[in-house]
Amino acid sequence: DAGITQSPRHKVTETGTPVTLRCHQTENHRYMYWYRQDPGHGLRLIHYSYGVKDTDKGEVSDGYSVSRSKTEDFLLTLESATSSQTSVYFCAISESITGTYGYTFGSGTRLTVV
Amino acid sequence: TQLLEQSPQFLSIQEGENLTVYCNSSSVFSSLQWYRQEPGEGPVLLVTVVTGGEVKKLKRLTFQFGDARKDSSLHITAAQPGDTGLYLCADLTGGGNKLTFGTGTQLKVEL
Repeated sequence: DAGITQSPRHKVTETGTPVTLRCHQTENHRYMYWYRQDPGHGLRLIHYSYGVKDTDKGEVSDGYSVSRSKTEDFLLTLESATSSQTSVYFCAISESITGTYGYTFGSGTRLTVV
Repeated sequence: TQLLEQSPQFLSIQEGENLTVYCNSSSVFSSLQWYRQEPGEGPVLLVTVVTGGEVKKLKRLTFQFGDARKDSSLHITAAQPGDTGLYLCADLTGGGNKLTFGTGTQLKVEL
C-alpha cells in the first residue's frame, strides 16, 4: 500500500480557533490534494499542489489555506474554524498528471467544530 | 462545471444477487475512474477507463464505458458482504489532474 498518513484522525475544536491538519506521504509523488466529504455533496476539492510551494485553489477553498514546504508534507489550515467546516477531510496523492494511476487516499480526519 | 450523477443513491441486496450501478456525466468524460470506499477509510481505486465502449473486468466486477463517453456502469455478479461500501465515479476536471467525484452509490450486501 502507498504510504500516506493523515493526522490527527479525529479532532474536536471550538468555533473561531485555528486548526491544522497534516498529510504525510512516503511515495515521493508530486501531486497532493485535500478534499472534504459531506453527506449529499460527495467529495469536493479544497486545495491541491503540483509540487513544493506550488499550490492552487479548488472549488471550496474559502476559509482554508494550505502549505507545502516539503514534497512529503501537505498541510491544511482552517484559520478560524466554523461549524460549516465540520466534515471528514481526505488527503490524496497522485504520481501522474494524466490521472492514469488514479489517486491514493489517506484514511481521513474527522473534524467536529462545536 | 461538470456534474456526475450516480444512481441509485442507495442499494440493499442479498448475498448472491447481481446488481448494476450507473454514472452519468453532463459532459464527455476525460478519464473515468471508479472507487470503492469502506466506512472509516478513504476511497480505493478500482479501475480507470478511457476509451468509449471499453469493458474492463475485475473478478466479479464488470465496468463498462459508454460509446459516447458520457456514461458508465459497474456490474457486480453474485454480490458478497465484502462488496459493501460506497461506490464513487470520478473524472478528470480541466487541467492539473484534478478529479471531480459523483455523490456515490451506497451498497449494502446482507447475508
